[in-house]
Amino acid sequence: AQTVTQSQPEMSVQEAETVTLSCTYDTSESDYYLFWYKQPPSRQMILVIRQEAYKQQNATENRFSVNFQKAAKSFSLKISDSQLGDAAMYFCAYRRLHYGGSQGNLIFGKGTKLSVKP
Amino acid sequence: DADVTQTPRNRITKTGKRIMLECSQTKGHDRMYWYRQDPGLGLRLIYYSFDVKDINKGEISDGYSVSRQAQAKFSLSLESAIPNQTALYFCATQDWRNEKLFFGSGTQLSVL
Repeated sequence: AQTVTQSQPEMSVQEAETVTLSCTYDTSESDYYLFWYKQPPSRQMILVIRQEAYKQQNATENRFSVNFQKAAKSFSLKISDSQLGDAAMYFCAYRRLHYGGSQGNLIFGKGTKLSVKP
Repeated sequence: DADVTQTPRNRITKTGKRIMLECSQTKGHDRMYWYRQDPGLGLRLIYYSFDVKDINKGEISDGYSVSRQAQAKFSLSLESAIPNQTALYFCATQDWRNEKLFFGSGTQLSVL
């Protein structure tokens, strides 16, 4: 079974600085999707960024970018120019190729709580 | 209006009670999910449905049941609530074209 590991339960960053959140995953599949979701205190889950495994180019969305290392099975999220509104839980997720079974097709990590200091 | 609507937003109930959490969506997606979120455990899959006639158990389905009444509606029931079912519950839909998930605002359930 695939797993997603976020090794940093909590992180802190100074406003306007850059922070990187780590995510590793375990899979034998060659084609899949990876995601980062943000959950602010309002508890709404918001998609931050998405990466297709077959694309070598790292995805970017404004101040958010990823470092996708397929061979290392690593998918880190970099937040540049951190803002107070970036404070939230961040979840890494893996979309497996094959459907069905008790894992469905999406597997989440346990999350990293990011604090932003003014 | 929200694309994925969960009701109620918060609910307090007693042990042994039957409770239903409702989810409706206007996104036209066939795929719908119920997740449970606990502190330190992340999101865990309870049930999922890829269309009205397709219901699948997730990794923590014991003690829960679901009903897919229509493409737009997917309800989660706790037949006899127990305190360790106290959690934040999310409904989500998925766009098959790009795999993106769209979440409701969650239902915070407390079982006393």
